[in-house]
Amino acid sequence: DVKVTQSSRYLVKRTGEKVFLECVQDMDHENMFWYRQDPGLGLRLIYFSYDVKMKEKGDIPEGYSVSREKKERFSLILESASTNQTSMYLCASSKRLDRVGEKLFFGSGTQLSVL
Amino acid sequence: GENVEQHPSTLSVQEGDSAVIKCTYSDSASNYFPWYKQELGKRPQLIIDIRSNVGEKKDQRIAVTLNKTAKHFSLHITETQPEDSAVYFCAARKTSYDKVIFGPGTSLSVIP
Repeated sequence: DVKVTQSSRYLVKRTGEKVFLECVQDMDHENMFWYRQDPGLGLRLIYFSYDVKMKEKGDIPEGYSVSREKKERFSLILESASTNQTSMYLCASSKRLDRVGEKLFFGSGTQLSVL
Repeated sequence: GENVEQHPSTLSVQEGDSAVIKCTYSDSASNYFPWYKQELGKRPQLIIDIRSNVGEKKDQRIAVTLNKTAKHFSLHITETQPEDSAVYFCAARKTSYDKVIFGPGTSLSVIP
């Protein structure tokens, strides 16, 4: 079974802090994604990466950055946390087997609260 | 960029009835349309997907239809059971190098 592991299940940070959310997958997937999930808004894409050191902006990249130095690890960084970044953060990965791609495997999520 | 809309936002059905969730997308280049189910407190999981060269796909009690001309696709669940209660997300994607864009979700409740 594919395992996508997020480093923390719950996280509480102060406004202005730099926050790192880590995601590791163990199935050699090329694609990795960061989403945030808010009630009524569904899953909104923050950033994704289709290869090591490659990154592409999603729909809501403002206030976030990412790092993918190794294939299995994709980090989301909140440069200066703000209260409107309080949310559930979900990491996902997928294999790139063909032109269209394969299903996403999600991590269990990190509930971030910024006070 | 791609925009995916989803209706209804909430849906309640009696056990044994059918449920239908509809999605529309904006980018005609999208050609992969997955559906994910998220049970309360759990991670989303793929339940079915369809590619643009297919108009309909079925897997036991669930089916998905795609109308590329109208740019909409639908999820059909027959003989609903309480364990079908969850939030369902549709999504769209162009290529394996592209982002996967989700709709806002439908909260389905199956009443025993």
